[in-house]
Amino acid sequence: DSGVTQTPKHLITATGQRVTLRCSPRSGDLSVYWYQQSLDQGLQFLIQYYNGEERAKGNILERFSAQQFPDLHSELNLSSLELGDSALYFCASSALGQGGGYTFGSGTRLTVV
Amino acid sequence: EDKVVQSPLSLVVHEGDTVTLNCSYEVTNFRSLLWYKQEKKAPTFLFMLTSSGIEKKSGRLSSILDKKELFSILNITATQTGDSAVYLCAVPPHQNRDDKIIFGKGTRLHILP
Repeated sequence: DSGVTQTPKHLITATGQRVTLRCSPRSGDLSVYWYQQSLDQGLQFLIQYYNGEERAKGNILERFSAQQFPDLHSELNLSSLELGDSALYFCASSALGQGGGYTFGSGTRLTVV
Repeated sequence: EDKVVQSPLSLVVHEGDTVTLNCSYEVTNFRSLLWYKQEKKAPTFLFMLTSSGIEKKSGRLSSILDKKELFSILNITATQTGDSAVYLCAVPPHQNRDDKIIFGKGTRLHILP
């Protein structure tokens, strides 16, 4: 157990629907990162939050949004889902000043049918 | 544009062989280079390299960084079937910022018994 908790582990939903992925960072970590990993693709950075505020944004679609709550857990909302959104979504956390090392959660596998 | 390129993309060897995985990078402000191992789910941290020429070692795995030529290698000796995984190289692009990490697409290593 890495200490980063993601739920749900698997999610199957239809096109056009909306889903919410949840992440609880490791105790003491203030930064949360969301990554998307599709087949044959590397880990694509989506967005980072630090202590409740958006810190950095990657290639995140407008249909996707995220937030980090006062208790530091984060949610990634995916709406108007398309088949191409099927992927593994990872959350990672880190402590400030850690030098770039992440701890990853076990991911949520999203399948859009 | 900051980028990380890994080679080969895929590698199949027999148990007992030694393999070398390559990672080259271009980033604006280099801070560190990270290696991760991804089996079925979450990437797990292997090494963080910050200085040229200093080998990091963990069992049969070792890694070294060349900051002049902008690359790193990951060596695995006496490979075992349990080494089968995707190996990811990653670089945080900014100094003094706990920021997103850029990942390469990974090398998929398969060890035949």
